[in-house]
Amino acid sequence: AQTVTQSQPEMSVQEAETVTLSCTYDTSENNYYLFWYKQPPSRQMILVIRQEAYKQQNATENRFSVNFQKAAKSFSLKISDSQLGDTAMYFCASETSGSRLTFGEGTQLTVNP
Amino acid sequence: DVKVTQSSRYLVKRTGEKVFLECVQDMDHENMFWYRQDPGLGLRLIYFSYDVKMKEKGDIPEGYSVSREKKERFSLILESASTNQTSMYLCASSLAGLAVEQYFGPGTRLTVT
Repeated sequence: AQTVTQSQPEMSVQEAETVTLSCTYDTSENNYYLFWYKQPPSRQMILVIRQEAYKQQNATENRFSVNFQKAAKSFSLKISDSQLGDTAMYFCASETSGSRLTFGEGTQLTVNP
Repeated sequence: DVKVTQSSRYLVKRTGEKVFLECVQDMDHENMFWYRQDPGLGLRLIYFSYDVKMKEKGDIPEGYSVSREKKERFSLILESASTNQTSMYLCASSLAGLAVEQYFGPGTRLTVT
């Protein structure tokens, strides 16, 4: 069985600064996929970024990037130049087969003006 | 844009009632999912479906059933609602395949009294 752990229930950052959200996972599969989803207040969950485990290069989407450490089973999300609109609950998730995701507990990020 | 809609944003039901939560997607997605979201527990998969009339149990199927009679519609049924089923319920859909994005509905906050 897969497990995904987010050890930071809440985090805060000042606008324009950089913040890193942590995620660790456990899987026995060789090939798998990792995701970060964002759930803004009262709005629908959306995909932020995804990483395929067999790709060594860390994924990047504009201000969002990941630090994927396969041996350590770590998948952190870095948000650069934080904006007020980044305030949201962030979920880390893993997938091994059949589009079925296993989610972490979530990290509530608050960006302060 | 993909649109996933859920029949109600808020629902209050009494213990023992039969409850239907409806989800509709408009992008001809093969996969549909039902999750429940609880603070500190993240999202947990209840049931998912790969095709019409097909269903698979997720991690917490007890007390729930599902129906998928048409490709675009996936219903979650609480046969006899209990107070421990008070939660936020999220529906999602995706194309078939690996590492595909899941598109989420706005959620239904169900309270069972």
